[in-house]
Amino acid sequence: EVQLVESGGGLVQPGRSLRLSCVGSGFTFDDYAMLWVRQAPGKGLEWVSGISWNSGSVGFADSVKGRFTISRDNAKNSLYLQMNSLRTEDTALYYCAKGGGYDSSGYYMVRWGQGTLVTVSS
Amino acid sequence: EIVLTQSPGTLSLSPGERVTLSCRASQSFSSSYLAWYQQKPGQAPRLLIYGVSSRATGIPDRFSGSGSGTDFTLTISRPEPEDFAVYYCQQYGSSPHTFGQGTKVEIK
Repeated sequence: EVQLVESGGGLVQPGRSLRLSCVGSGFTFDDYAMLWVRQAPGKGLEWVSGISWNSGSVGFADSVKGRFTISRDNAKNSLYLQMNSLRTEDTALYYCAKGGGYDSSGYYMVRWGQGTLVTVSS
Repeated sequence: EIVLTQSPGTLSLSPGERVTLSCRASQSFSSSYLAWYQQKPGQAPRLLIYGVSSRATGIPDRFSGSGSGTDFTLTISRPEPEDFAVYYCQQYGSSPHTFGQGTKVEIK
């Protein structure tokens, strides 16, 4: 069974940094693109970032470009999101998701974790 | 950035009443790279459709997707009580891979 478990969320002040992690199991991690999607309280889904199977291709939403970095460690079946210069509008539940393919053509979300909550507030 | 506009915002209907949800893109993108998701309160979203019309594993055949260019549709032929939820479309043909704002399907 595919499982995705996020961690690293919490309360952080504006301007500070936070690093989210996601561990995948039940599938061959390095065969798939991986993604981050967020959902602000009571709002819709927002695609945040995606990374291809070998980290050769990455993409970001305009709202986080230049502040967030995505990476993966296939040896550890792990995905990361480094979030810098956080803003109050970054407050959301952050989901890790398994892509449908190995590169950007597979940047749709086949399986989702349960999310980790990030709250940016002073 | 491609903007996806879903309509209507909310749909009220009775179980068994066929429903059609619309997703319109502000510009065309790489062909067939459109997905649909279902989200129930307190749960993570679930993939329903990818590649415009391919059902994800385990998704019943009452769900179907269609469309091309900038206009796409999700149809639920005979909604069951468990189908009342929020539905999102997403394009993954052009970065950033945006979502629509969602359509809430509720019981009349």
